[in-house]
Amino acid sequence: AQKITQTQPGMFVQEKEAVTLDCTYDTSDPSYGLFWYKQPSSGEMIFLIYQGSYDQQNATEGRYSLNFQKARKSANLVISASQLGDSAMYFCAMRGLTGTASKLTFGTGTRLQVTL
Amino acid sequence: DTAVSQTPKYLVTQMGNDKSIKCEQNLGHDTMYWYKQDSKKFLKIMFSYNNKELIINETVPNRFSPKSPDKAHLNLHINSLELGDSAVYFCASSLAAWSPYGELFFGEGSRLTVL
Repeated sequence: AQKITQTQPGMFVQEKEAVTLDCTYDTSDPSYGLFWYKQPSSGEMIFLIYQGSYDQQNATEGRYSLNFQKARKSANLVISASQLGDSAMYFCAMRGLTGTASKLTFGTGTRLQVTL
Repeated sequence: DTAVSQTPKYLVTQMGNDKSIKCEQNLGHDTMYWYKQDSKKFLKIMFSYNNKELIINETVPNRFSPKSPDKAHLNLHINSLELGDSAVYFCASSLAAWSPYGELFFGEGSRLTVL
């Protein structure tokens, strides 16, 4: 079974500051993918960044980076230079192989509020 | 051109009614999914189809019946709606069902309100 834990229900960050959103995971799958999605108040799910379990380097996409620590089973999202438009729900998710198919399992989310 | 599109975006209906949500993807993906997001924003998978074949069927009441006429379409029919069915239902697609790599592409969601 796969499990994703996001322990921060809400976070505040000032504009232009960096923020780290925590994510830990648990799986027995030998290979898996880790994902972060953003859900603004408008409701759509926006894919941000991906890290494969065998990737040696941490993934980066613009202002987003994924701090992947395999031994600690953590996959934290770092947002640099926060902008007001970053205010949203952020979901960590994992995709492994369970049974015969691969499904994406989500954490409970962290609501980020960017302030002036 | 919207990659994954769902209709309708909003449904308001009475308990006991039947309703359907339609989903179409133009990404050429083989695999499609239905997720339910509850009032606490928790997202849970309901079903997945790979090239018209049901491959994931989570513990969902029998009142929910998915149907995939072809690999680009996945519909969700709900019978005898209950108050607890009120949620946002997301359709998604991905390139492959059997790989843990590769993101899911989500539709905009369909907000169902049961009165």
